[in-house]
Order: sequence, then C-alpha cells, then structure tokens
Amino acid sequence: AQSVSQHNHHVILSEAASLELGCNYSYGGTVNLFWYVQYPGQHLQLLLKYFSGDPLVKGIKGFEAEFIKSKFSFNLRKPSVQWSDTAEYFCAVKTYNTDKLIFGTGTRLQVFP
Amino acid sequence: SQTIHQWPATLVQPVGSPLSLECTVEGTSNPNLYWYRQAAGRGLQLLFYSVGIGQISSEVPQNLSASRPQDRQFILSSKKLLLSDSGFYLCAWSRAGGIYNEQFFGPGTRLTVL
Repeated sequence: AQSVSQHNHHVILSEAASLELGCNYSYGGTVNLFWYVQYPGQHLQLLLKYFSGDPLVKGIKGFEAEFIKSKFSFNLRKPSVQWSDTAEYFCAVKTYNTDKLIFGTGTRLQVFP
Repeated sequence: SQTIHQWPATLVQPVGSPLSLECTVEGTSNPNLYWYRQAAGRGLQLLFYSVGIGQISSEVPQNLSASRPQDRQFILSSKKLLLSDSGFYLCAWSRAGGIYNEQFFGPGTRLTVL
C-alpha cells in the first residue's frame, strides 16, 4: 500500500532561519504531490502542488518544493521563515489512477520571533 | 467561487449516542467528496469518499458510515458512538475526473465523545 512519511514531527526555528521539511512516499508509478498547511484555527489549505514538468515548484508565501523521483521525495523549503509560518504542514500523494490523497502524519512548525 | 461548509463546528456527545455530521459544497456540480479524521500526530486518515450520489467507498472498517443523498451533500453518521470516535473530522471536495484535481477542505468538526 502507498504511504507517505514525514520524519520531522515538530520543528522549532527562529525567524529568518531556513526551513526544510522532509517528505518521502512509497509508490513506484506516476504521482501527484502536494503540501498542505493548516494555520492555527484555519482551514487546511493548499501550499503548493506538483503534477508534471519542472520538479522545482513554487507555492504561496515564498515556499518551494523539489520533486526528486529517484529518492521518492518532495521536500518543502523556505529560505527565511517568519513567525506567521507557524502552522502544521502536511505532505500528500495522489497516485495517477485514483482520486484519493494519502497524507503524511504532519509536521508542526513553531517559529519564534 | 466554490465553498464548502461543515456543521456543527463542535460537538460533545455521550458514548452510545447517534451522530450526524453534514458537509455541503456550493458552486460546483458532481464533485468528488471525502471524509477524513485528523488525529494529533497521525495526520489525516481517509474514512470515506464518494464519486456520485449514493456511491460510497469505505477506506477503513469502523463504527461510522457515510451517505450522499444529494449531489453536493455528504453526511457522516454513527448509530452508537464510541470513545475512540473522538477527533477532528474534515470534509473535502475535488473536481471529478482528470488528474489535476486537488482537494479543498472544509473547516472541520471537533467531536468529543464522553
């Protein structure tokens, strides 16, 4: 069965630090990849997505992620975090032949001023 | 534009009582609909999804059931709640067909079973 692993469960950073959150999936076929973010008290919302083409995708609020097919990874990055980035981040994978998303367990990011 | 609603926002129910959570989508037709449960440290677990009226797929065996009586209405139910049913329930929708169908999430319902 397909699965998604987010190894960082809780990350604490100071403002202006760089961020990288890991995401690995287990599926050998074509995938669509997503990062969702849940700010405190808000809906889960899409941060960025990869469907095809350039493996480096840029999302909202300065976030980017790189799809490395050989490593089955889709790590999320931001060069300089802000206090407002405090949230929970979820990686998700959709295999090509289904409409279902498989989510990772999430990473809680806390950014201190 | 499309919007998704869930109610109630919070619910406290005794063990053994019935449950009905409702989700409706506006501004689109024939969406795929999904119910997830979010538990701390466990991410989002897909419970049910539906590609059309009356069509429900169950992902995990459990005490819950789902129904889709109308195109844009998705209901999560239980006849008798268990303590383990406590959690945060999210409804989501996506456009049917194609590969470019990201999911859009509702605000969620916090269920506490006592």
